[in-house]
Amino acid sequence: DAGVIQSPRHEVTEMGQEVTLRCKPISGHDYLFWYRQTMMRGLELLIYFNNNVPIDDSGMPEDRFSAKMPNASFSTLKIQPSEPRDSAVYFCASSSQDREKLFFGSGTQLSVL
Amino acid sequence: AQKITQTQPGMFVQEKEAVTLDCTYDTSDPSYGLFWYKQPSSGEMIFLIYQGSYDQQNATEGRYSLNFQKARKSANLVISASQLGDSAMYFCAMREGAGSARQLTFGSGTQLTVLP
Repeated sequence: DAGVIQSPRHEVTEMGQEVTLRCKPISGHDYLFWYRQTMMRGLELLIYFNNNVPIDDSGMPEDRFSAKMPNASFSTLKIQPSEPRDSAVYFCASSSQDREKLFFGSGTQLSVL
Repeated sequence: AQKITQTQPGMFVQEKEAVTLDCTYDTSDPSYGLFWYKQPSSGEMIFLIYQGSYDQQNATEGRYSLNFQKARKSANLVISASQLGDSAMYFCAMREGAGSARQLTFGSGTQLTVLP
């Protein structure tokens, strides 16, 4: 089985630019999560979807961040405009209704210069 | 208050020895789940083991076992017969509540180094 697929693996951009991170969850999983990992704050949940519908976006830091899930097999996390403090590893994860375990993607290492 | 506390920023263990990584949690919900994930230097998050709050027995998965002490609100991970490949960051996490919520709250992690 293919796992959660994230792209790109690494992104380097300049302050003020738009950044789009992509995620393909495991087929059949109806929950999708976006996490951010930094040294200072550890792993933080940004937003999660159930059946493509955003359920809780209270972890999204500011209006510069937005996430969409247009269909069951694709989600994006967009930062516009990006700032240096957004530099982090962004993880996407998915799970199914009847299983507890979250399956994580390999993460996107974002560096905003 | 921290929901998940991992008090050991770093741990060292000799190869082939057992090691215990500590995790305490805080919740008033009677239904919850506890997880351990491993993050090697390559960065991916690897699920290791799960314990439900109503599970009667401690969870085990190969060399991993979870020492679940409900009254103390602790869920320590025990790795037996450590291997060099076990060197990684280990995260304890909790899911609160039953039903459809699946979001996890993570601890700050413990960096385990296995010495040859």
